Amino acid sequence: AQSVTQLGSHVSVSEGALVLLRCNYSSSVPPYLFWYVQYPNQGLQLLLKYTTGATLVKGINGFEAEFKKSETSFHLTKPSAHMSDAAEYFCAVSDARAAGNKLTFGGGTRVLVKP
Amino acid sequence: NAGVTQTPKFQVLKTGQSMTLQCAQDMNHEYMSWYRQDPGMGLRLIHYSVGAGITDQGEVPNGYNVSRSTTEDFPLRLLSAAPSQTSVYFCASRLSQGDNSPLHFGNGTRLTVT
Repeated sequence: AQSVTQLGSHVSVSEGALVLLRCNYSSSVPPYLFWYVQYPNQGLQLLLKYTTGATLVKGINGFEAEFKKSETSFHLTKPSAHMSDAAEYFCAVSDARAAGNKLTFGGGTRVLVKP
Repeated sequence: NAGVTQTPKFQVLKTGQSMTLQCAQDMNHEYMSWYRQDPGMGLRLIHYSVGAGITDQGEVPNGYNVSRSTTEDFPLRLLSAAPSQTSVYFCASRLSQGDNSPLHFGNGTRLTVT
């Protein structure tokens, strides 16, 4: 069974500082990995995804993530935080080759951006 | 395109009552799913469907029923609501089961069971 662990349920950063959100996964097969963002009272929307190919993935709003197979990690970064980045972020893993192609989510990390 | 539409946005039920959460998508997606979101637990899969007439259980199916009579609609039924079902429910869809396209989410239904 696949699983996702996000380290830190809350992260506080200053505006302009680096944002680093950690995600580790377990999967019995090469995974597909996703980061989603959720703004208050909204559904989740995709930030970026890794399926195959280049291990450094760029997403929307200046975010990027690096797939490290040896570390089973997919950490999300943004060089300079903006006030609009305040939201909850979810890492997720799926295996398109498995029945149902179910997406398994981590517990989420809520980001607070201080002016 | 409206995307994924969920109704109602909010609902309060008494223990033992039944209700149906509605989900509709206009993107001709084969795959539809229901998740519940609880603090610190992320989203957990309740039920999913890979096409009209086909449904299967997810991680936390107990207390919920689904059906998929059309491609567009995927309602979630609570037959006898319990306080443990207080949560935010999200419907999500993707083009098909076997692809790696992202899920499209609705804006959620916030359910409180007293």
